[in-house]
Amino acid sequence: GAVVSQHPSRVICKSGTSVKIECRSLDFQATTMFWYRQFPKQSLMLMATSNEGSKATYEQGVEKDKFLINHASLTLSTLTVTSAHPEDSSFYICSARDETLRTGMYFGAGTRLSVL
Amino acid sequence: AQKITQTQPGMFVQEKEAVTLDCTYDTSDPSYGLFWYKQPSSGEMIFLIYQGSYDQQNATEGRYSLNFQKARKSANLVISASQLGDSAMYFCAMREGRSSGSARQLTFGSGTQLTVLP
Repeated sequence: GAVVSQHPSRVICKSGTSVKIECRSLDFQATTMFWYRQFPKQSLMLMATSNEGSKATYEQGVEKDKFLINHASLTLSTLTVTSAHPEDSSFYICSARDETLRTGMYFGAGTRLSVL
Repeated sequence: AQKITQTQPGMFVQEKEAVTLDCTYDTSDPSYGLFWYKQPSSGEMIFLIYQGSYDQQNATEGRYSLNFQKARKSANLVISASQLGDSAMYFCAMREGRSSGSARQLTFGSGTQLTVLP
C-alpha cells in the first residue's frame, strides 16, 4: 500500500483562490519532504525542500510567497498555492524520505491542479 | 550542465522482448545513488530499482535490471519480457552524497516514454 498519501488528487479552482495540498508519510517519520512540479510530458522539477520545524528551502525561480510550505509535524507537509492563476495549473507531487532505508524515497500520487 | 541525461524521448518494444532505457549521469561526488521510476498515465511515481555507487553488483528486481557502468557514468535500465502494462514514462534519478548538501533530493532526467506493442 501507499506509504505517502497526497490529497487532493485533483482540484479545480477559480483564479485568485488559494489551494492547499497535503502530503503525509504513513508508516514513517519524515524530517524532509520534497515538492515537485511537473508539466505535461516533462520531467519533475524540484520546487522546494520542506524541513520539519524550520523554513522550507526553495529552488531558484520559485516564489516563496506564492507557494507556501508548512512542515508542522514529522508526518505532514502542506503546499499552499496562493492566489492561483491559470499558469499555476500543473501536476504537483510530493516525496518523503524514510531515512532508515537506503532506497527510502517515496512519492505521493500527485495533485492535478487546474485553475480556471 | 545536466546531471541526469536520458537521450531517448520515446521507445517502442514488442511484447515479450527486452528493452534497454539509457541513462547517463554527472557527479563529482563519490557517494551517490541511482534510481529508476515508472510513471504511468495516472501520474504516480513507482519505484523500480536502485543502484548505489559503491555496490559491487548490478541491481536486479524481477524483470528489471540495472546495467551500471561506473566508469562511463551510465545506469541503463533493462526490462526483460516486456508486457503491455510496462507502457509508461520512465525516469532515471540521482541522489548525491552528503558532500553535496544536507537535503539529498532526487534529480530527475527528462524521461523516456516506453510503448509496448502487442
